[in-house]
Amino acid sequence: DGGITQSPKYLFRKEGQNVTLSCEQNLNHDAMYWYRQDPGQGLRLIYYSQIVNDFQKGDIAEGYSVSREKKESFPLTVTSAQKNPTAFYLCASSIGAASSYEQYFGPGTRLTVT
Amino acid sequence: SQQGEEDPQALSIQEGENATMNCSYKTSINNLQWYRQNSGRGLVHLILIRSNEREKHSGRLRVTLDTSKKSSSLLITASRAADTASYFCATDLQGAQKLVFGQGTRLTINP
Repeated sequence: DGGITQSPKYLFRKEGQNVTLSCEQNLNHDAMYWYRQDPGQGLRLIYYSQIVNDFQKGDIAEGYSVSREKKESFPLTVTSAQKNPTAFYLCASSIGAASSYEQYFGPGTRLTVT
Repeated sequence: SQQGEEDPQALSIQEGENATMNCSYKTSINNLQWYRQNSGRGLVHLILIRSNEREKHSGRLRVTLDTSKKSSSLLITASRAADTASYFCATDLQGAQKLVFGQGTRLTINP
């Protein structure tokens, strides 16, 4: 899983609670990404960051928030406004902007909200 | 938005056979990438092919790209049980700094 760590591997929360998923990389990559994957589906982009202190919404940003205060860290908060938060969340990084470089993925966090 | 779509959705073959997966996309691209995902794990990058390339090889993997048909194929030769995984194509949108992933092909290699 190439220098990217996500914790925890499994996370359980009650409906109405905010929860923060951790993503750390030691690859010295500028760009970082958060994806959501539902069973049997592909990846959908939540947020991405091309540089420290800057980030952009992806295709499904509603109900999520991020910060990028350090190059190596890109935490994702799933807020109570996210209507269906139960999913597998994947963090990734790349040397530069996504389209020209391969992405390195973490092992994922499986979030279950009941 | 669905840029890349893989075909078939699922493929089951015998060990030693070749496996071919296809990816179609809608708009012009700069690059196309293929990734593998073992069940419950993160994705692993396999190959990146640029729009001006037609074919690329990496070990038992061969990727082709036909920009006129807006399609790519991934061929795995002499398949092994360890190749059992889901395979995704990912395309960029020209001018966009992000990838769009297809829904993947679930490949099962039977011993």
